Amino acid sequence: EIVMTQTPLSLSVTPGQPASISCKSSQSLLHGDEKTYLYWYLQKPGQSPQLLIYEVFNRFSGVPDRFSGSGSGTDFTLKISRVEAEDVGVYYCMQSIQLPHSFGQGTKLEIK
Amino acid sequence: QLQLQESGPGLVKPSETLSLTCNVSGGSISSSSYYWGWIRQPPGKGLEWIGTFHYSGTTYYNPSLKSRVTISVDASKNQYSLTLDSVTAADTAVYYCANHLQILKSSFDYWGQGALVTVSS
Repeated sequence: EIVMTQTPLSLSVTPGQPASISCKSSQSLLHGDEKTYLYWYLQKPGQSPQLLIYEVFNRFSGVPDRFSGSGSGTDFTLKISRVEAEDVGVYYCMQSIQLPHSFGQGTKLEIK
Repeated sequence: QLQLQESGPGLVKPSETLSLTCNVSGGSISSSSYYWGWIRQPPGKGLEWIGTFHYSGTTYYNPSLKSRVTISVDASKNQYSLTLDSVTAADTAVYYCANHLQILKSSFDYWGQGALVTVSS
């Protein structure tokens, strides 16, 4: 099983300031088709997870452009350029290159 | 747009079988375009993929649960189900149904709101 490791596990950010979350996989997520199968989800309080980013850097429909994803191979980053109050929740990375699908432990974002 | 809704008992006794159903609307469960999955989240913890079903009849399970899990479909009701045998307190979790477009190389795009199942006597 591919192990996904996120850091930090929590962060507190002032509105308008940037935030960054790291995700490292125990194996490369680069497929032979040259795509990388790394996803980011946000689980807002009391809600189910919602897809933010697919294949490292592509924003899902309706996701604000203050969210961006980057990285390659085994190291990935989710950045929020200017945190807003509605961004609070737990962020998860997930890999889909090998079964079983596996998620990071989650990073809890709070607003200062 | 697809909508998924979980339903089932909220309390199950240890050693018994957990059964949940996911009702699908806005799309056909018989479509070859979709894969239908289950994911769970113990209280205060992270997400764990349980397994996925495709209408072709193929099922995929997490090896950690494979011996106890069955995912099946009722196309006439446009719903699919999860059963988990011999449950223990460690199976207490919110169970989500979610769909994806491929078994691999695909995100879980649409999720149900989740169903909390508590295992307790």
